[in-house]
Amino acid sequence: EAQVTQNPRYLITVTGKKLTVTCSQNMNHEYMSWYRQDPGLGLRQIYYSMNVEVTDKGDVPEGYKVSRKEKRNFPLILESPSPNQTSLYFCASSLRGQADTQYFGPGTRLTVL
Amino acid sequence: AQSVTQPDIHITVSEGASLELRCNYSYGATPYLFWYVQSPGQGLQLLLKYFSGDTLVQGIKGFEAEFKRSQSSFNLRKPSVHWSDAAEYFCAVGAGYGNKLVFGAGTILRVKS
Repeated sequence: EAQVTQNPRYLITVTGKKLTVTCSQNMNHEYMSWYRQDPGLGLRQIYYSMNVEVTDKGDVPEGYKVSRKEKRNFPLILESPSPNQTSLYFCASSLRGQADTQYFGPGTRLTVL
Repeated sequence: AQSVTQPDIHITVSEGASLELRCNYSYGATPYLFWYVQSPGQGLQLLLKYFSGDTLVQGIKGFEAEFKRSQSSFNLRKPSVHWSDAAEYFCAVGAGYGNKLVFGAGTILRVKS
């Protein structure tokens, strides 16, 4: 089944404790991206990647890192999480770019205390 | 840079009534335009998209949208709403491959019986 998976689905952590949210897709998509969703703000793009080793900042990249060492994986790294990063995070992938249909993962709800 | 405005945060319609969700965008050229739907607790799913050509676009679940360049709008419509349409709807705009995808803040649709 074609899908985007994210892990963990729920995470509660404390300020400053490094964490990684994994994202994997099995559709051989070139384009992958991370969004955060906050009430009243919709989805805001954090980072996107056009292909392996090619990443670029979205609208809200501060406090986040990403890497794209393999085509299928696009982990999101918070090296020193803060409470303002409490949010619902979505990973998405598409065939070639943002003009193609985005396939979204189920989301990761992160709480930073 | 592109931007998207969804003027209505909440809309309530009766089951069987018609629906129109508004979306206005800002971009210098003809953008790629999308409508996504998010059911409670789910990721986002593409309803329809516009790149060029016919300005009236048909999507899944009986939805359609009309691109009006003169008004910089891409409003979503459905002639008869079903209770299962209750969800949050997001308009998004892109500007070619290798670029960001920008989402609006979303419109929450409630359907009353």
